[in-house]
Amino acid sequence: TQLLEQSPQFLSIQEGENLTVYCNSSSVFSSLQWYRQEPGEGPVLLVTVVTGGEVKKLKRLTFQFGDARKDSSLHITAAQPGDTGLYLCAGVVIAGRRALTFGSGTRLQVQP
Amino acid sequence: KAGVTQTPRYLIKTRGQQVTLSCSPISGHRSVSWYQQTPGQGLQFLFEYFSETQRNKGNFPGRFSGRQFSNSRSEMNVSTLELGDSALYLCASSIRGGIYNEQFFGPGTRLTVL
Repeated sequence: TQLLEQSPQFLSIQEGENLTVYCNSSSVFSSLQWYRQEPGEGPVLLVTVVTGGEVKKLKRLTFQFGDARKDSSLHITAAQPGDTGLYLCAGVVIAGRRALTFGSGTRLQVQP
Repeated sequence: KAGVTQTPRYLIKTRGQQVTLSCSPISGHRSVSWYQQTPGQGLQFLFEYFSETQRNKGNFPGRFSGRQFSNSRSEMNVSTLELGDSALYLCASSIRGGIYNEQFFGPGTRLTVL
């Protein structure tokens, strides 16, 4: 069982559509990070959220940390082909070992 | 500023052999972490080194080991390779250490065990 469950696992949409990716857990996290990974490369950090209820915007991407710090979401507005990639959430459990735990990932394909 | 570099990029080994992977962090970064990425298990934490000391360790068998040198470069060794060790091995560096800090990943080493 994954500590961090991401949904959906796969998403194929047309350019210009909106989408939301979810990252859920039964554990409380001190912080959550979102990464994007493209084929042949390592993950690249997009954002870190640390406060329950926090909302951060990065151009067309909006990240939210749940009030209870157990979940997070990533919303993309007007998706573009350049948004294609594997989106990963990752966090450190408050009461656990200080290891960064990754979600299973959401593979996004944006068709032109 | 040069990014995290990993060598080699691709490696093919047979069962029972051992392998050593290398990682050079971004200049000034003292923390290096290693991860294993597979389609079935996703990205899993192996260990973290800071100032030549292992600071954190994931749930992997003792066949997986690592070390860090005084210049912050790190190596990871896997002994007695098994088919299930086939994976992308990623190295990440950060300035202060503490793996919940911003991590910069290298491109990875793709290991295939036959």
